Amino acid sequence: SQTIHQWPATLVQPVGSPLSLECTVEGTSNPNLYWYRQAAGRGLQLLFYSVGIGQISSEVPQNLSASRPQDRQFILSSKKLLLSDSGFYLCAWDSPLRTTNEQFFGPGTRLTVL
Amino acid sequence: GQNIDQPTEMTATEGAIVQINCTYQTSGFNGLFWYQQHAGEAPTFLSYNVLDGLEEKGRFSSFLSRSKGYSYLLLKELQMKDSASYLCAVIESNYQLIWGAGTKLIIKP
Repeated sequence: SQTIHQWPATLVQPVGSPLSLECTVEGTSNPNLYWYRQAAGRGLQLLFYSVGIGQISSEVPQNLSASRPQDRQFILSSKKLLLSDSGFYLCAWDSPLRTTNEQFFGPGTRLTVL
Repeated sequence: GQNIDQPTEMTATEGAIVQINCTYQTSGFNGLFWYQQHAGEAPTFLSYNVLDGLEEKGRFSSFLSRSKGYSYLLLKELQMKDSASYLCAVIESNYQLIWGAGTKLIIKP
């Protein structure tokens, strides 16, 4: 069966510090991968998606970046965090075969920038 | 443009029935999802509709009308554990998911 991992679960970082959040998927090959951010009480905002190694599409301009160094690894990074980067970050995957179109979510990382 | 509308918050009584509506305007349509999200947790899949009509799954049902750009999630025999946010999401022509802001459902005894 497929599983998706994210770490860390929670993170408190000062403004201006760097960020690296990691997501890995097990039990599937060549998944589509997504990074979302959810502000408190708000919906999901798509940040990045990837259809393959080294292929990253950005949905919103910001100080964040994403990389996919391996098929089942997706990393979200920042060189200098802003207060507005605080939120709940969710990684998700779905199958490129589009058999169900359902996206499966990792447990999330709660980031607080102070 | 893309737009998905859901009520921000609803309140219902334990044991009752509640209907959460979702209207959408998107670039094409390849299906609609309902997800449940408990506070501080990741969303979990509830239902998927791609054809018009009602899909029933236990206490939860989801309805879709593509011509009206409308869906609803029906929750029966409400339990306290159903207190959560319910997210409506539409798959566009390019297979991107567009998410509503979610409806916070409060269940009272």
